[in-house]
Amino acid sequence: AQKITQTQPGMFVQEKEAVTLDCTYDTSDQSYGLFWYKQPSSGEMIFLIYQGSYDEQNATEGRYSLNFQKARKSANLVISASQLGDSAMYFCAMDVNNQGGKLIFGQGTELSVKP
Amino acid sequence: NAGVTQTPKFQVLKTGQSMTLQCAQDMNHEYMSWYRQDPGMGLRLIHYSVGAGITDQGEVPNGYNVSRSTTEDFPLRLLSAAPSQTSVYFCASRPGGEIYEQYFGPGTRLTVT
Repeated sequence: AQKITQTQPGMFVQEKEAVTLDCTYDTSDQSYGLFWYKQPSSGEMIFLIYQGSYDEQNATEGRYSLNFQKARKSANLVISASQLGDSAMYFCAMDVNNQGGKLIFGQGTELSVKP
Repeated sequence: NAGVTQTPKFQVLKTGQSMTLQCAQDMNHEYMSWYRQDPGMGLRLIHYSVGAGITDQGEVPNGYNVSRSTTEDFPLRLLSAAPSQTSVYFCASRPGGEIYEQYFGPGTRLTVT
């Protein structure tokens, strides 16, 4: 079965520190994509970062990086230098075979950044 | 570009009523999808489309119909609303090729009483 697991319902981090949000995935397919989305309290879904299963380098986008460990089937999100505006829900998602419209989401992690 | 637009933003229905949630994108994206988000949960796929005239079921399709007669529009129809369909509904689109990011609409908050 294809599944995304986020085991941290809630996380706290001090402003300006780094934080890692955990994500493990389960699929028997070789080709897939992994995503992280941010959902602030206003409700919109904001794309943060993408990692393809065949990408050898970890993806980075500004303060966001994806720690991709294929053998462990993990795709953790690292946010460096946390800001108050980073307080939000974060969702890990997978697109098996990069099928285009079929994302499987985890349950999310609520991140709170303390001043 | 307006991106992905959804109407209405909020809707209250009585059990048994039907309605259509509208979704449109002006980016000429090939793929479009509908998700629902229940409180405290991630999004779950209802239906998706890989192009005009082509649709398929996702994880939770029961009680919903879709059609895609144009590239731009992907309406979601609730046939006979039930309280279990109370949720926030998101429409998303994605270009084809090797651009994998899905662009989400702002969501429709639906309450069925």
